[in-house]
Amino acid sequence: QVQLVESGGGVVPPGTSLRLSCAASGFSFTTYALHWVRQAPGKGLEWVALLSYDGTNKYYTDSVKGRFTISRDNSRNTLYLQMNTLRVEDTAVYYCAKDGGSAAYYGYYFHYWGQGTLVTVSS
Amino acid sequence: EIVMTQSPDTLSVSPGESVTLSCRASQSVSSNLAWYQQKPGQAPSLLIYDASTRATGIPARFSGSGSGTEFTLTITSLQSEDFVVYYCQQYNNWPPMLTFGQGTKLDIK
Repeated sequence: QVQLVESGGGVVPPGTSLRLSCAASGFSFTTYALHWVRQAPGKGLEWVALLSYDGTNKYYTDSVKGRFTISRDNSRNTLYLQMNTLRVEDTAVYYCAKDGGSAAYYGYYFHYWGQGTLVTVSS
Repeated sequence: EIVMTQSPDTLSVSPGESVTLSCRASQSVSSNLAWYQQKPGQAPSLLIYDASTRATGIPARFSGSGSGTEFTLTITSLQSEDFVVYYCQQYNNWPPMLTFGQGTKLDIK
């Protein structure tokens, strides 16, 4: 079955960096686009970034453009989110999610989700 | 940015009854809409995509409808595990700027 396991969260001060990882299994990793979605404590869901199956096409929500970078290592079946210049408002549980489409086309919805990793940005 | 608005924020219903949740888009999203269920302390899970297609393993008592700017999620024969939070999400714009509604919480009356 599809499994997505996030790691790398923690408590960091504003202005610093953190890298999240998402280890995937149970599906053909190189065939699917992947996303990061976040949820601030007690709040709703916010899409963060999307990466194509081959890593060539990347899309971000406006609030993280220039600060966050999504990437993948298809040899390790792992998705990453490099987060720089972190802000208090980036505090959230970060989920990785498998796109609902396939290599032929994006679905742009979130078919499977990991359990999330908590990032707390605080001084 | 396409703004998604769900109504109401909270809905109180009794087990066994049926309920309809609403989701409105600030501009047309065609049928590019998904619904998710989120249980406390868990990640969301996909219920419906393309406005009306149930995801694998989702029971038939969950159904989605609508197109353009108005969408609904109907749940019949409510069971105890259904009293959680539901989100809609649109995926119609390019480049992708995927947005969610604020969520509707189902409470037991």
